[in-house]
Amino acid sequence: GAVVSQHPSRVICKSGTSVKIECRSLDFQATTMFWYRQFPKQSLMLMATSNEGSKATYEQGVEKDKFLINHASLTLSTLTVTSAHPEDSSFYICSAYEGASADQETQYFGPGTRLLVL
Amino acid sequence: AQSVTQLDSHVSVSEGTPVLLRCNYSSSYSPSLFWYVQHPNKGLQLLLKYTSAATLVKGINGFEAEFKKSETSFHLTKPSAHMSDAAEYFCVVSDRGDDKIIFGKGTRLHILP
Repeated sequence: GAVVSQHPSRVICKSGTSVKIECRSLDFQATTMFWYRQFPKQSLMLMATSNEGSKATYEQGVEKDKFLINHASLTLSTLTVTSAHPEDSSFYICSAYEGASADQETQYFGPGTRLLVL
Repeated sequence: AQSVTQLDSHVSVSEGTPVLLRCNYSSSYSPSLFWYVQHPNKGLQLLLKYTSAATLVKGINGFEAEFKKSETSFHLTKPSAHMSDAAEYFCVVSDRGDDKIIFGKGTRLHILP
C-alpha cells in the first residue's frame, strides 16, 4: 500500500532555533496533506491543511508565522517550527490522501516526528 | 508493542439502520483508545475517547464505543445511521506509558439511501 514518510523521526533542539519536518508520499502524489500535533496523552489536533502550490489553511488558534508550511511538490510538504520553545515540544504527524476521486481516496498517515525543545 | 486492527476496510449500511465499526487492539500497558472520523477532504475529527473511566464511552453525533478488555475490542456503534455519517473512521491506540500513537488503517462507511 501507499506509504507516507516523515523525517526526522526524532529531533532535539535548543530554544530559539528553527526545525524543519518533512512529510513525503513515497509512491503516490498527494495534492492535500494534513499536519497534526499531539500533546502527551491527548488526542490529535489538526494544525493545518497543506495544498500543493497554494497557501496552507490553518486551524483557529494555530500561529501561521510560527508553523510555516510549504507544499512545493505533489510528494513533499514541510512544516517548519520557527523560533521553537519548550512548549512546542510535541509529536507531529502528517497525512496524505491518495486517489483519483473523492470516493476512492484513502488517507495515509506518517509515522510521526517527536520534537523536544530544550 | 501496540497495534490496532480495523477488521473491515468498507462497511455499507442503509440509512436509519445500526452502524457497527470493529476495532481490536493490542497493548502492553493500559491503553487510551480513540475513534476519529474524517469526511472527504477534511482533517480528522475526534469522535470519542476512552482513558480508563467508564467502559462505555459516548461521543459526538450519537456514536458510542465500548471498551472490552477481555476481548481487546473497542467497537464503534450508532443506533441509526444518517447520510452525513458517510466518512472514513479511524481507531487509534496510545499506551499510557508511551506517548506514541498507532492508527488503524481506517474503515470507510457508506450510507445507502
